[in-house]
Amino acid sequence: DAGVIQSPRHEVTEMGQEVTLRCKPISGHDYLFWYRQTMMRGLELLIYFNNNVPIDDSGMPEDRFSAKMPNASFSTLKIQPSEPRDSAVYFCASRQAGGRGNEQFFGPGTRLTVL
Amino acid sequence: AQSVAQPEDQVNVAEGNPLTVKCTYSVSGNPYLFWYVQYPNRGLQFLLKYITGDNLVKGSYGFEAEFNKSQTSFHLKKPSALVSDSALYFCAVANSGGYQKVTFGIGTKLQVIP
Repeated sequence: DAGVIQSPRHEVTEMGQEVTLRCKPISGHDYLFWYRQTMMRGLELLIYFNNNVPIDDSGMPEDRFSAKMPNASFSTLKIQPSEPRDSAVYFCASRQAGGRGNEQFFGPGTRLTVL
Repeated sequence: AQSVAQPEDQVNVAEGNPLTVKCTYSVSGNPYLFWYVQYPNRGLQFLLKYITGDNLVKGSYGFEAEFNKSQTSFHLKKPSALVSDSALYFCAVANSGGYQKVTFGIGTKLQVIP
C-alpha cells in the first residue's frame, strides 16, 4: 500500500487566495483526520470523518476553513480566503475501524506558506 | 478535557546510552496511550501503544514504554540509543470512550550524539 497520500507537498500563495489541500487515505480505512502543525501550537486536530461523514469539526479555526470527503478515497481541506497566520504544515491521517485503539497513519504533510 | 505534557523540549543522549523521553497525561476514564516519531519533512509514524494489559509495552525499533497509572505517566525508553533515533517524538492520549479523538503532546526533540 502506498500509505496516505497528500498533495501538494508544498504550497506558496498570497494572502486572500483560495487554497485546496488534498488527501487520499489508505484503502479500507474508515476514519480520516486533518491536523495542523505549528511550532507554537504543536499538532492540532481540525476535523475528522467516519465513513465520509464529518463527525467533529470543533477544531476548525474559523469559517474560512472547510473540509469535504465526497467518497472513501478522497478528502479536501479548503481555506478561503487564506491569511499569513494559516501558514503551517497540514497533515492528513487515516485509521481502520474495528479496533478501539487502532493507530493513525499519517501522510507526509503539505507545507503551506501564505505571504 | 484530555491533555498530554511532554516536559522536555529536547533530550540529548550519547550513542549507546539508555534514553528516556517523558510523558504525563490527563484524561477521564481509561486512557489509550500512544507514541509517534516524526523525522524531518515527514509525517508522524506510529511506534507503540498501550490499550490494556501489561504495563510495559514494546514497539518498533527497540523502543518500549511503561504505563504508570498512579503517576499518570507513559515514558518512552530504549536501552541503547542510536544516532538514527534522532527525531521528534510525540506522546498522545485518547479516552477509551471517545477513542477517535487523540490529543498529542507538543513533542520532544531527541538528539543522539555520536
